[in-house]
Amino acid sequence: AQRVTQPEKLLSVFKGAPVELKCNYSYSGSPELFWYVQYSRQRLQLLLRHISRESIKGFTADLNKGETSFHLKKPFAQEEDSAMYYCALRTGGGNKLTFGTGTQLKVEL
Amino acid sequence: GAVVSQHPSWVICKSGTSVKIECRSLDFQATTMFWYRQFPKQSLMLMATSNEGSKATYEQGVEKDKFLINHASLTLSTLTVTSAHPEDSSFYICSARDRIITDTQYFGPGTRLTVL
Repeated sequence: AQRVTQPEKLLSVFKGAPVELKCNYSYSGSPELFWYVQYSRQRLQLLLRHISRESIKGFTADLNKGETSFHLKKPFAQEEDSAMYYCALRTGGGNKLTFGTGTQLKVEL
Repeated sequence: GAVVSQHPSWVICKSGTSVKIECRSLDFQATTMFWYRQFPKQSLMLMATSNEGSKATYEQGVEKDKFLINHASLTLSTLTVTSAHPEDSSFYICSARDRIITDTQYFGPGTRLTVL
């Protein structure tokens, strides 16, 4: 069965410091990975997907099949980055998503 | 961007009653909608996949007679929690898959259910 692991429940960094939110997955097929973000009192929204290989709000994530990881990175954290971040794995071709437990990112001044 | 709404945003009910939650895609058609449940400080757990015009597909461990799902149109899916009990209290979130852009899933704001 597929699984997504986010080992950190809370990550606290100072403004301007680099950020790395860890995500590891377990899936026997070809994975499609996503990062979703939930700002305070807002709905869950897509941040980026590995297929697009894009950078959104300065965040990037590279799929490493050898390490089965999809870590989210940003070189310089901003206060507005404070939010809950969920890594998700899509399987079965039907858009079914399996979410990790989430990491709360707190950017301190 | 595409918008998904949920109604109500929060509801309090007595134990033993039934509660209906609506999920609507406001500016796009969704052949598939998903219902999730989220406990405090925990992740989203998929409960069921709702397909327009057909029966929902439930995840293992989710009681289909307890959580009734109806997807009668391309813009509306409903989740009815029947004979609710305090342990059903949770945050219920729906998402809708755009019929045209099929790899994109848009999430609703969630519904907070409290069963007394």
